Amino acid sequence: GENVEQHPSTLSVQEGDSAVIKCTYSDSASNYFPWYKQELGKGPQLIIDIRSNVGEKKDQRIAVTLNKTAKHFSLHITETQPEDSAVYFCAVRTSYGKLTFGQGTILTVHP
Amino acid sequence: ETGVTQSPTHLIKTRGQQVTLRCSSQSGHNTVSWYQQALGQGPQFIFQYYREEENGRGNFPPRFSGLQFPNYSSELNVNALELDDSALYLCASSLHRDTEAFFGQGTRLTVV
Repeated sequence: GENVEQHPSTLSVQEGDSAVIKCTYSDSASNYFPWYKQELGKGPQLIIDIRSNVGEKKDQRIAVTLNKTAKHFSLHITETQPEDSAVYFCAVRTSYGKLTFGQGTILTVHP
Repeated sequence: ETGVTQSPTHLIKTRGQQVTLRCSSQSGHNTVSWYQQALGQGPQFIFQYYREEENGRGNFPPRFSGLQFPNYSSELNVNALELDDSALYLCASSLHRDTEAFFGQGTRLTVV
């Protein structure tokens, strides 16, 4: 089955710095790559996604890049703010609606 | 437009008991998926329902079962609860099987 590796497991940055989280996947048939933000005591919130026919997508301070050949994709957050502190998960969808998630990255933004 | 809502938010059960968790999908969404999230881990896919039919299943035993109703709300049932079933159970709904999935706030199940 699909395997998703996410790095780093923890990331600490100063407010205003950029943060980058990377994921690799195993199944070349994967076609959809969402990123979720999960705050304590809440369900995952979809923050950005990309499909296999697109290489990059940007939404204000958040961007995602996809390299299908290398089977990896990354989340980029610029001008980080304390409210960006949360656990971030990448996910991959191969067939029907099943999402396979990475292990998560705990992002801490220090004021 | 209402989001995905789950009930109850917290639940404590004894080993061997049975539990039913409920999910109301977002308005207009016909696909519901259930995930189990252990502490410190990413969500793990349990199964998906599309138009009242099971549409795929993850690596979970048959004591995990589900239903989807004509209004597209859904239930997750777990029989013969084990201590390892303690987790956050998440429901996600999608407009269709291949569109964005939106999660509810989850049900925290503790098995003692």
